[in-house]
Amino acid sequence: GAVVSQHPSRVICKSGTSVKIECRSLDFQATTMFWYRQFPKQSLMLMATSNEGSKATYEQGVEKDKFLINHASLTLSTLTVTSAHPEDSSFYICSARDRGPGLFFGSGTQLSVL
Amino acid sequence: KQEVTQIPAALSVPEGENLVLNCSFTDSAIYNLQWFRQDPGKGLTSLLLIQSSQREQTSGRLNASLDKSSGRSTLYIAASQPGDSATYLCAARGGSGYALNFGKGTSLLVTP
Repeated sequence: GAVVSQHPSRVICKSGTSVKIECRSLDFQATTMFWYRQFPKQSLMLMATSNEGSKATYEQGVEKDKFLINHASLTLSTLTVTSAHPEDSSFYICSARDRGPGLFFGSGTQLSVL
Repeated sequence: KQEVTQIPAALSVPEGENLVLNCSFTDSAIYNLQWFRQDPGKGLTSLLLIQSSQREQTSGRLNASLDKSSGRSTLYIAASQPGDSATYLCAARGGSGYALNFGKGTSLLVTP
């Protein structure tokens, strides 16, 4: 089956620093990628949708200047959490859509901001 | 906006029991409904996907049903095992896009 590689799996950083999370589709071209986050005991919530070569579409309440999404190629999307703060600590996970109906998830990134 | 609710939030059963996890959704115009397993700090493992035209899907000891008209889906786990302990998520995909609306999950603990 199709594989989506997400790195890092876990990151701990100091408040005020920026963190980049990568999501790669290894054996297919991802026309669209989705970024979700999950706070403890909460559901996965869609943050943004990105199409290759165009600007991401953010969900209501998600700050686009804080959560920078780059989808520069058909196999790579990155999420950068800028000036991270403790309230940004969460589980972030990407999913990628292939050219058909397939939708595949990465393994997630646990971000802890001290 | 699609709202997905899962009941119960947590469940603890002894090994060998059959169990049912419930999922309800508010907008019946879904493209499909999917059940996932999530282990602590890990990504998602897709268990079963039911298209909107289907009534159920089976895989091994798992059976998922879908009733679009009532906005409900159930995941049936037969002969539960300690290895089934995890959080189970259901997610509805709308007809207009590929993003998923997730429930909060049911945390399952199967004790030996």
